[in-house]
Amino acid sequence: EAQVTQNPRYLITVTGKKLTVTCSQNMNHEYMSWYRQDPGLGLRQIYYSMNVEVTDKGDVPEGYKVSRKEKRNFPLILESPSPNQTSLYFCASNVQGGTEAFFGQGTRLTVV
Amino acid sequence: AQSVAQPEDQVNVAEGNPLTVKCTYSVSGNPYLFWYVQYPNRGLQFLLKYITGDNLVKGSYGFEAEFNKSQTSFHLKKPSALVSDSALYFCAVSANSGNTPLVFGKGTRLSVIA
Repeated sequence: EAQVTQNPRYLITVTGKKLTVTCSQNMNHEYMSWYRQDPGLGLRQIYYSMNVEVTDKGDVPEGYKVSRKEKRNFPLILESPSPNQTSLYFCASNVQGGTEAFFGQGTRLTVV
Repeated sequence: AQSVAQPEDQVNVAEGNPLTVKCTYSVSGNPYLFWYVQYPNRGLQFLLKYITGDNLVKGSYGFEAEFNKSQTSFHLKKPSALVSDSALYFCAVSANSGNTPLVFGKGTRLSVIA
C-alpha cells in the first residue's frame, strides 16, 4: 500500500530536549516536505527536499533541521524544542514539486 | 510568491443541500490547484486537482471544483451534502513551473447538519 509513515503519532517533551520525528514514503517520490498545522493558520511549510541531499527552507524553518540521506526518508529534527513549536506536524511526498501531495497521519507534538 | 485565500472559516449547510467552499489564489503564471480534506485526527486526503483542460474537475466523494481564470478562483462544490462531508477543507496552489512548493489556505470547516 502506498503510504507516508510518520513516527511517533504523539509526543510530549520538555523544552530543550532534542527530538526527531521520522518520515518514510514507499512511493519512490522525489519531493518531500514538512508542514506544521496551527489553528487559524492552516498548513505552513517548514522545509522541503527536491531529492537526496537537496533540502531548502520553507516559510517557517526557524528551530528545525532536516536531512535527506535516502530517497524514502526525511526526518525532522528539533535540536532545542520550545513551547512555540507545540503543533501538529505533517510529512508529505510528491512525485515532484507542484503535483498532488500524499500526507502522513500527523505527529502531535507538545513541548512543555 | 503564490498565495491562497479561503474567505470563510466556517460553512454550515443542511444535509441534501448544495455546498460551496470558496477559494481564490494568486500565482505567477499558470496554476496547479488542489483541494484536500481533513477528517478529525487524520492526515490530509487529496480530493481533486486542476492542472489544465476542462475548467470543471470532478474528484472523490462526489465533489467537483470549477477553475475560473478571470476571477482567480477554484471553488469546491457538491450538489447534495452529506453529514459525513463534515470536515476541514484546504485549498492549495502551486505554480506550474516545476518543483515549486504547495501553498495552502487556512482551511474552511464544513458542517453539514442533518
